[in-house]
Amino acid sequence: DVKVTQSSRYLVKRTGEKVFLECVQDMDHENMFWYRQDPGLGLRLIYFSYDVKMKEKGDIPEGYSVSREKKERFSLILESASTNQTSMYLCASSLESGSGYEQYFGPGTRLTVT
Amino acid sequence: GENVEQHPSTLSVQEGDSAVIKCTYSDSASNYFPWYKQELGKGPQLIIDIRSNVGEKKDQRIAVTLNKTAKHFSLHITETQPEDSAVYFCAASTGTGANNLFFGTGTRLTVIP
Repeated sequence: DVKVTQSSRYLVKRTGEKVFLECVQDMDHENMFWYRQDPGLGLRLIYFSYDVKMKEKGDIPEGYSVSREKKERFSLILESASTNQTSMYLCASSLESGSGYEQYFGPGTRLTVT
Repeated sequence: GENVEQHPSTLSVQEGDSAVIKCTYSDSASNYFPWYKQELGKGPQLIIDIRSNVGEKKDQRIAVTLNKTAKHFSLHITETQPEDSAVYFCAASTGTGANNLFFGTGTRLTVIP
């Protein structure tokens, strides 16, 4: 089974702190994604990566950056956390192409910024 | 970009009844339409998907229909059970990016025993 793990289930940070959210997948997937999930807004794509060291902006990249130094690991960085970044963050991975549209999600990190 | 709308936002049904969730999409180039189920404390998980060359797909109690002309697709759950209670998301993809998915806003389904 594909497994996507996220470093923390719950995280509380202060405004202005630098925050790192880590995601690891164990199925050699090329694509990885970071979403935030908010009530009534569904899942919104922050960044995605289709290869090591490659990254592309999603729909809401402002205030975030990402890093993918190894194929299995995709990190989301909040350079200076703000209260409006309090949310559930979901990481996902998928195969590159063909039947690989299915995205496999981690359990999520609930981040609270105070 | 693609815009996916999902209705209703909440749905309550009696155990054994059917549940229907509807989604519309805006981009006629979308060719892949998955449905995800998210249980409490977990990430979304794919339950069924359909591609644009198919009008209907069924997997036991779950079925999805697609109307390309009207640009809408629906999830049908028959003989609902309490374990069907969850949040359901529809999504659409044109295959661009890394086969990026555009998600609806979710439907919280409650099955009343």
